[in-house]
Amino acid sequence: AQSVTQLGSHVSVSEGALVLLRCNYSSSVPPYLFWYVQYPNQGLQLLLKYTTGATLVKGINGFEAEFKKSETSFHLTKPSAHMSDAAEYFCAVRNNAGNMLTFGGGTRLMVKP
Amino acid sequence: EPEVTQTPSHQVTQMGQEVILRCVPISNHLYFYWYRQILGQKVEFLVSFYNNEISEKSEIFDDQFSVERPDGSNFTLKIRSTKLEDSAMYFCASRRGTGAYQETQYFGPGTRLLVL
Repeated sequence: AQSVTQLGSHVSVSEGALVLLRCNYSSSVPPYLFWYVQYPNQGLQLLLKYTTGATLVKGINGFEAEFKKSETSFHLTKPSAHMSDAAEYFCAVRNNAGNMLTFGGGTRLMVKP
Repeated sequence: EPEVTQTPSHQVTQMGQEVILRCVPISNHLYFYWYRQILGQKVEFLVSFYNNEISEKSEIFDDQFSVERPDGSNFTLKIRSTKLEDSAMYFCASRRGTGAYQETQYFGPGTRLLVL
């Protein structure tokens, strides 16, 4: 079975500050890992993904995440927060033998001016 | 850019009524999914569909639920007799195929279902 834990259901940062959203997963087989963003009243949009290869992956809007197998983590970062980054962020895992995505509980990012 | 579309965006129904949620996946995709998100809770997997049959389903997807791809473009989720606890946002998703470069599931904007 696989699971995803996102530490911090709410994270608040100032505009221009570093964004760090934490994600830890458990999976019995090598995982595929995803970050999705959900803006208010909208669907889920893919930010970035890790499947194989380079462990540091870059996504849209200046976000990146690093797959650390030893820590079973896939934390999402952005060097400088923008007001438009305010949204809910979901980490998800899919094992490469399965079909479904398992989501974390989500982290709501608030950006203060 | 191709996208997954869903209709209606909002649906209000009475408990015990049947509802059909509709999705049009991206045209060259082969795998189709339904997820739901009860307000304030996690996004949960319901069912996956490939080659005109269910490939995987969760415990949530009981006999009250069914899926169908009636015409090669639409993908529907039917709830036969809705319950209050079925109130949620329902997301459709589709995926191109297998392999590391086709792993992304693309989500629609969702249908918000309210059961009264």
